[in-house]
Amino acid sequence: QITLKESGPTLVKPTQTLTLTCTFSGFSLSTSGVGVGWIRQPPGKALEWLALIYWNDDKRYSPSLKSRLTITKDTSKNQVVLTVTSLDPVDTATYYCAHRGRGGWFDPWGQGTLVTVSS
Amino acid sequence: EIVLTQSPATLSLSPGERAALSCRASQSVSSYLAWYQQKPGQAPRLLISDASNRATGIPARFSGSGSGTDFTLTISSLEPEDFAVYYCQQRSISWTFGQGTKVEIK
Repeated sequence: QITLKESGPTLVKPTQTLTLTCTFSGFSLSTSGVGVGWIRQPPGKALEWLALIYWNDDKRYSPSLKSRLTITKDTSKNQVVLTVTSLDPVDTATYYCAHRGRGGWFDPWGQGTLVTVSS
Repeated sequence: EIVLTQSPATLSLSPGERAALSCRASQSVSSYLAWYQQKPGQAPRLLISDASNRATGIPARFSGSGSGTDFTLTISSLEPEDFAVYYCQQRSISWTFGQGTKVEIK
């Protein structure tokens, strides 16, 4: 059974950097074809894909946010970390991590963590 | 960036009725399209992958069709637990989501 869980601060100030950790079980990020992605959802709004890291350390970022995002993995700890710099109140959202299987789709997802950007 | 446009924004139906949700891509995504269901306070759940393949454990009343730029998610007979928001997603070029269709009880 694959499970993922996001962790990190719930409140951050504008201009600060957000660091989120996705801790997973039930799969290995060293298995060919596997990846972990990050997706966010502002309150009451749609989903927005942010970043994805593959088993071979290939990394992909949303073009609109690329300059502010960094995704890394620690295969031995079964963790993926996302950092978002230069936070603004519009970055307030629930942040999800999700398993990207060999089929290419996000399944399953973590429960999400709500991050509020406010002074 | 490939833009996915979902319609309608809200669909008001009664249990037992048939629901048809549309997703249109700004350029061809071949069959690289998925559908997710999201209930309040929950994470999205994969329903359909590659335009028409039901994910594991998804009831047969859910079906997907289409290719290229026009896709449809059909729920043949709505159950009470099906009232939720549905998102389409493409992975042909990068990854993008539609803005969602809310299926509400009439």
